[in-house]
Amino acid sequence: EDQVTQSPEALRLQEGESSSLNCSYTVSGLRGLFWYRQDPGKGPEFLFTLYSAGEEKEKERLKATLTKKESFLHITAPKPEDSATYLCAVPPKGGSSNTGKLIFGQGTTLQVKP
Amino acid sequence: NAGVTQTPKFQVLKTGQSMTLQCAQDMNHNSMYWYRQDPGMGLRLIYYSASEGTTDKGEVPNGYNVSRLNKREFSLRLESAAPSQTSVYFCASGSGNSYEQYFGPGTRLTVT
Repeated sequence: EDQVTQSPEALRLQEGESSSLNCSYTVSGLRGLFWYRQDPGKGPEFLFTLYSAGEEKEKERLKATLTKKESFLHITAPKPEDSATYLCAVPPKGGSSNTGKLIFGQGTTLQVKP
Repeated sequence: NAGVTQTPKFQVLKTGQSMTLQCAQDMNHNSMYWYRQDPGMGLRLIYYSASEGTTDKGEVPNGYNVSRLNKREFSLRLESAAPSQTSVYFCASGSGNSYEQYFGPGTRLTVT
């Protein structure tokens, strides 16, 4: 069964304290891994797409990396405004980009304290 | 350019009542999706529409129906609401040529 698992469920950091979030998946023949940010009371907002092992993408204090079985979202020197829930998602096995279906993980809720 | 819009933002229903959640996108996307989000369960796909005129079941379709009214609009209907349908509902759209999806602000539904 296709699965996406994120850890930890929740993470509390002090401002400036770097850390990483994990997203592991069991889908074979990966056709992309997607990271989203979700602020409380809002819809998820697209951050990154990674397609192949070794690929990295950066945006401000966030850097996403991909291996054959997992992805990491590294947060360097976070600020309180980075507080949000971070979701990762992958297309299911056999899925077609014509449908664009995704399987989402449960998310990691990040809180950054000043 | 509003992106994906959803109405209403909040709704309270009594068990057995019906309602329709509306979604519209102005990005000329082919694909549209309805998800529900519950604590600890992540986003679960209810129904999707890969193109105008087609709809398909997702992971949790029971108790719901959908209509792809035109390329812009995709509605979700609860015929007889149940407390188990208390959730936050998100509509999303995608170009259909990739897996990137763009989400609306959500509808918070409570069924008592």
